[in-house]
Amino acid sequence: NAGVTQTPKFQVLKTGQSMTLQCAQDMNHEYMSWYRQDPGMGLRLIHYSVGAGITDQGEVPNGYNVSRSTTEDFPLRLLSAAPSQTSVYFCASSSGQGARTGELFFGEGSRLTVL
Amino acid sequence: ELKVEQNPLFLSMQEGKNYTIYCNYSTTSDRLYWYRQDPGKSLESLFVLLSNGAVKQEGRLMASLDTKARLSTLHITAAVHDLSATYFCAVEEIQGAQKLVFGQGTRLTINP
Repeated sequence: NAGVTQTPKFQVLKTGQSMTLQCAQDMNHEYMSWYRQDPGMGLRLIHYSVGAGITDQGEVPNGYNVSRSTTEDFPLRLLSAAPSQTSVYFCASSSGQGARTGELFFGEGSRLTVL
Repeated sequence: ELKVEQNPLFLSMQEGKNYTIYCNYSTTSDRLYWYRQDPGKSLESLFVLLSNGAVKQEGRLMASLDTKARLSTLHITAAVHDLSATYFCAVEEIQGAQKLVFGQGTRLTINP
């Protein structure tokens, strides 16, 4: 059971470069989201999706794009990387069934460094 | 704007002792979640609290929710080293929309 799979696990970028963090889940979950984790700040929501073709912004969306063409995949694109985007990124999914919509299943994380 | 605050942020305790982590949030919500994160690892769900007065227990951990006080507690009983981790509470900003706001996390270290 793979669950939520993120790639790459580590990435170093130069300022201005673009890249895509991949996220895939095999649990047929409707809800998917991207968070970033910075020391002392908990996790902050970047973008989320409630189903294929539907995305919305979270708390810190600037500099990131997402799309959801299938139920399984939810890639996060960094358009022009900046040092402030150095962080650990987590993809998460949820079944959205009943009241447990906030019970998230997380990927292993992607550690991004922007020089 | 929903704010979620945990305290303490750092907690060092001895094995066998009891302690409580507090999670306060600023706006009305009936749903609160606790997660655990080991160093360098992902987060895993511990408890889902879905109504006022909800209490959940798993081993030496017990979580409760008081929606009137906008407060959740995570109580550790007779701590053991394996419970050393960072614990996060999270609250749904909009019910059912899967928009979670996380607390800063409490780094718990349990010493022999």
